[in-house]
Amino acid sequence: KAGVTQTPRYLIKTRGQQVTLSCSPISGHRSVSWYQQTPGQGLQFLFEYFSETQRNKGNFPGRFSGRQFSNSRSEMNVSTLELGDSALYLCASSLQGASGANVLTFGAGSRLTVL
Amino acid sequence: ILNVEQSPQSLHVQEGDSTNFTCSFPSSNFYALHWYRWETAKSPEALFVMTLNGDEKKKGQISATLNTKEGYSYLYIKGSQPEDSATYLCAFGSSNTGKLIFGQGTTLQVKP
Repeated sequence: KAGVTQTPRYLIKTRGQQVTLSCSPISGHRSVSWYQQTPGQGLQFLFEYFSETQRNKGNFPGRFSGRQFSNSRSEMNVSTLELGDSALYLCASSLQGASGANVLTFGAGSRLTVL
Repeated sequence: ILNVEQSPQSLHVQEGDSTNFTCSFPSSNFYALHWYRWETAKSPEALFVMTLNGDEKKKGQISATLNTKEGYSYLYIKGSQPEDSATYLCAFGSSNTGKLIFGQGTTLQVKP
């Protein structure tokens, strides 16, 4: 059974650019949630998508956006990159939803460096 | 603002020691409490999901308890091994926001 696949694994961008990260969930999982991890911070919730609809959103500026496709694959986009956006971005898939009794399965993450 | 606190922040023990850490979370609007283990260069991996007050879960030498009324969960590792070295994350699922809020983690290092 394939796990959660995130691409790209590493990328370097400069300030002002934009970036798109992709997440393919486990087959049959309809929920994809995204998290940001920076040094000294826990996993910060970005948003959750379920059946192509954004179900929940964290406290991030509008430069952070996402979407989910009919095959449950999800993308997140960060526009007008800032130095502080350098982080590990993790996505996680679950059967029904991210907040309840369903276990999250995480991808390996996309490490973004903004110069 | 929902706050999930984990203590201690880091822990160094000798192989064979038993250890435990704490996760504190809001005592209202409880939906679920998750524990994950995150080894260096790997993805976080689920240990337990608990939903009922008084729940106790066990997986090998690792066990967890849950007290939703007072808002805490304990994770115990009996007879730590070097391969238990990892960051242990807890996450609180809120029934009114629908969000899973993670603590900052407890980093455990087990010396052989």
